Amino acid sequence: TQLLEQSPQFLSIQEGENLTVYCNSSSVFSSLQWYRQEPGEGPVLLVTVVTGGEVKKLKRLTFQFGDARKDSSLHITAAQPGDTGLYLCAARPRPSSIQGAQKLVFGQGTRLTINP
Amino acid sequence: DTGVSQDPRHKITKRGQNVTFRCDPISEHNRLYWYRQTLGQGPEFLTYFQNEAQLEKSRLLSDRFSAERPKGSFSTLEIQRTEQGDSAMYLCASSQVREGEQFFGPGTRLTVL
Repeated sequence: TQLLEQSPQFLSIQEGENLTVYCNSSSVFSSLQWYRQEPGEGPVLLVTVVTGGEVKKLKRLTFQFGDARKDSSLHITAAQPGDTGLYLCAARPRPSSIQGAQKLVFGQGTRLTINP
Repeated sequence: DTGVSQDPRHKITKRGQNVTFRCDPISEHNRLYWYRQTLGQGPEFLTYFQNEAQLEKSRLLSDRFSAERPKGSFSTLEIQRTEQGDSAMYLCASSQVREGEQFFGPGTRLTVL
């Protein structure tokens, strides 16, 4: 089972529409990151959310961290074709040792297509 | 140079051959990570270095895989006796501080025929 579950896995909408994608877990995280990845490229960091209930905005993108720090959402307003890509959430699981605190665990991603 | 770089970007090899990939992290970052990403999935952690010390390895990293960071700067990931199941995107990331944000390179796409 995935530590981070993203939904939907695929989303195809028309330019100008709004959308929300979700990242859910049963675990509590100290922080959570959202990345966007284009085909053949590495993930690009969009935002880090740290505080429960935190909302961060990046132009037309709004990120929210759940109050219990177990889930997050990404809302895009008036989607543009340039928003097309794979959106990944990532977080650090609780480490078994102090040296194990470093890796990121990723969800499987939401593949978003914005049609002109 | 403002980002993580990886070389080569693409590698096609025959089953059984050895391959080596290189990652150059952001210059002031002392933490370096390797991940593997297969089609339709998010990246999966392979290993992590703090300076030249390899501090964590995933169970995904079989004995055919070895990673080094000899001078605490660039890192190499070698896969010996490649198998078709090794075909994936190999991603490198770096960060400046413990639990800091990780910045990814463009990846090396490996295809094993």
